[in-house]
Amino acid sequence: SQQGEEDPQALSIQEGENATMNCSYKTSINNLQWYRQNSGRGLVHLILIRSNEREKHSGRLRVTLDTSKKSSSLLITASRAADTASYFCATAVNTDKLIFGTGTRLQVFP
Amino acid sequence: NAGVTQTPKFRVLKTGQSMTLLCAQDMNHEYMYWYRQDPGMGLRLIHYSVGEGTTAKGEVPDGYNVSRLKKQNFLLGLESAAPSQTSVYFCASSYSRPAWDEKLFFGSGTQLSVL
Repeated sequence: SQQGEEDPQALSIQEGENATMNCSYKTSINNLQWYRQNSGRGLVHLILIRSNEREKHSGRLRVTLDTSKKSSSLLITASRAADTASYFCATAVNTDKLIFGTGTRLQVFP
Repeated sequence: NAGVTQTPKFRVLKTGQSMTLLCAQDMNHEYMYWYRQDPGMGLRLIHYSVGEGTTAKGEVPDGYNVSRLKKQNFLLGLESAAPSQTSVYFCASSYSRPAWDEKLFFGSGTQLSVL
């Protein structure tokens, strides 16, 4: 079964609005990573948060991590049409693997 | 640098045919992975390698084989293709363990249809 589950599955917003997507996972992790996938393309790494961190920022991205609830959220502020993509969380446990969630499809309308 | 390159980009097979997908990376990464992506399922790990000459099973290894004869290349083989293997296949690589805060670099994918 999937380690990570994103919520919502799909999200539609207007340019300028904020977009929030959530990720829940099942087991203890070393870190949690967020990736972006434009239609028909490979995934691109956005941000990594370690298990001992609670919040991390990168430009318009803010990621939070709550290990007690086994959940993370990705906030994109002041969304742009170019942010339209699918977003995936991925968890790294104490193995050699990175396990991905099911993704959130974000549509940003101009 | 080219990064991670997958060939071919598209392929159509008939049930029972075989094929090999090639992944090449020029970043001197130790770890390489093959994922498949299906609608509503996210990415699922098929096989991976932690170094030249090594391979290991992921979440969905049945029906696939892999080889890592050279550090820069990771091959995914389908011996007898089935319609259930219709999917988009992604190769990825990382310098070392993701658990050690390493990120993955992805290829652009191979769209495979099995009729």
